[in-house]
Amino acid sequence: GEDVEQSLFLSVREGDSSVINCTYTDSSSTYLYWYKQEPGAGLQLLTYIFSNMDMKQDQRLTVLLNKKDKHLSLRIADTQTGDSAIYFCAEGGYSSASKIIFGSGTRLSIRP
Amino acid sequence: NAGVTQTPKFQVLKTGQSMTLQCAQDMNHEYMSWYRQDPGMGLRLIHYSVGAGITDQGEVPNGYNVSRSTTEDFPLRLLSAAPSQTSVYFCASSYSGGPSTDTQYFGPGTRLTVL
Repeated sequence: GEDVEQSLFLSVREGDSSVINCTYTDSSSTYLYWYKQEPGAGLQLLTYIFSNMDMKQDQRLTVLLNKKDKHLSLRIADTQTGDSAIYFCAEGGYSSASKIIFGSGTRLSIRP
Repeated sequence: NAGVTQTPKFQVLKTGQSMTLQCAQDMNHEYMSWYRQDPGMGLRLIHYSVGAGITDQGEVPNGYNVSRSTTEDFPLRLLSAAPSQTSVYFCASSYSGGPSTDTQYFGPGTRLTVL
């Protein structure tokens, strides 16, 4: 069945770039998403990419999509302490009536 | 606070009929959008609006019209329904910035069948 996989932890130094990777299995997904969850808060949609795109940039965020390898990545440039959070990769749609598959989340920690 | 509401929940049309899907939100969100969801295709953006009086096309706008006369309402019109428009339609809203920068709140969906 459909699956989305991510590494569980990532630690980077403040000011460096963070790259969070994700692999997915459903090649029919039209949307691939990155969500951010800060401590005690719900999921916030960070960015998304259409499956017919291979790159999307939004300020410090760069999303790269390799459809052949079913690999999605999120790069955060100049990582700040405020970027500490859990980042979820997801594929498919997102609402209670549509199917969305989330990865387990990558916990990003920032070292001073 | 009702969030995002959509009516009707279900609708069956004949080819060539017209109808309007209603969407309303009471969160004072500037950004509203319409998606359609088809099996195996996730959500596709039809039209969106960044504020009252401003609308723009999304990924699949053909066959649909929208207007945004108030902040609260964002109706989607099908002028001449076609079987290819059989789908589940979701309305969403967010405070600002559109889907790439802000959390969207989704309505419960309208399931439309065109015969």
